[in-house]
Amino acid sequence: QVRVQQWGARLLKPSETLSLTCAVYGESFSEYYWSWIRQSPGKGLEWIAEINHSGSTYYNPSLKSRVTISVDTSKKQLSLRLSSVTAADTAIYYCAKTSDYGGFDYWGQGTPVTVSS
Amino acid sequence: QSVLTQPPSVSGAPGGGVTLSCTGSNSNIGASFDVHWYQQRPGTVPKLLIYSNTNRPSGVPDRFSGSKSGTSASLAITGLQAEDEADYYCHSYDSSLRVVFGGGTKLTVL
Repeated sequence: QVRVQQWGARLLKPSETLSLTCAVYGESFSEYYWSWIRQSPGKGLEWIAEINHSGSTYYNPSLKSRVTISVDTSKKQLSLRLSSVTAADTAIYYCAKTSDYGGFDYWGQGTPVTVSS
Repeated sequence: QSVLTQPPSVSGAPGGGVTLSCTGSNSNIGASFDVHWYQQRPGTVPKLLIYSNTNRPSGVPDRFSGSKSGTSASLAITGLQAEDEADYYCHSYDSSLRVVFGGGTKLTVL
């Protein structure tokens, strides 16, 4: 069984950098792809970025210039940095594990992030 | 504007059935990428409902079924229950964009 726990700053000012971490417990971390996904208030799901154990990364083209995703396999942790945030980046941010079949089968609890001056 | 198109809302009577659609293109669903479906009840984390077009994870009732044809996919729900009231999202892969989601469909059980 997999347990995913997230943490990070929840209130940011415009132009600051969002930084979130996700820790994985109970199952191998390195065998899977991991993604960050966000959901703006009242809106749908938006994929941000994906990484695998070897550090291969994939980014949403609309966010790529501001996003960095990284892993620390020794700690079984996944991190997200999003620079130069604006109010449009206000959302709940989730980390999620990609199953062997491609769907996201385990999700973190979500971290609500608000960007406001 | 989501890459995968879903109707914003559908409704059905208790005990009845509904079908939710998810329309893509030749760069995602039509390119033979699998479609996955998620259920998100208010205030909760999305839950994987259907994976690889037609498969249910352990614990998902067989009232939920998925299908795929051409550039579209569908999620059918039969025997509607009040607890099925939720937002439903489809998810696939795209040859250019990597991961894509639908905008979500809000299911109301009347």
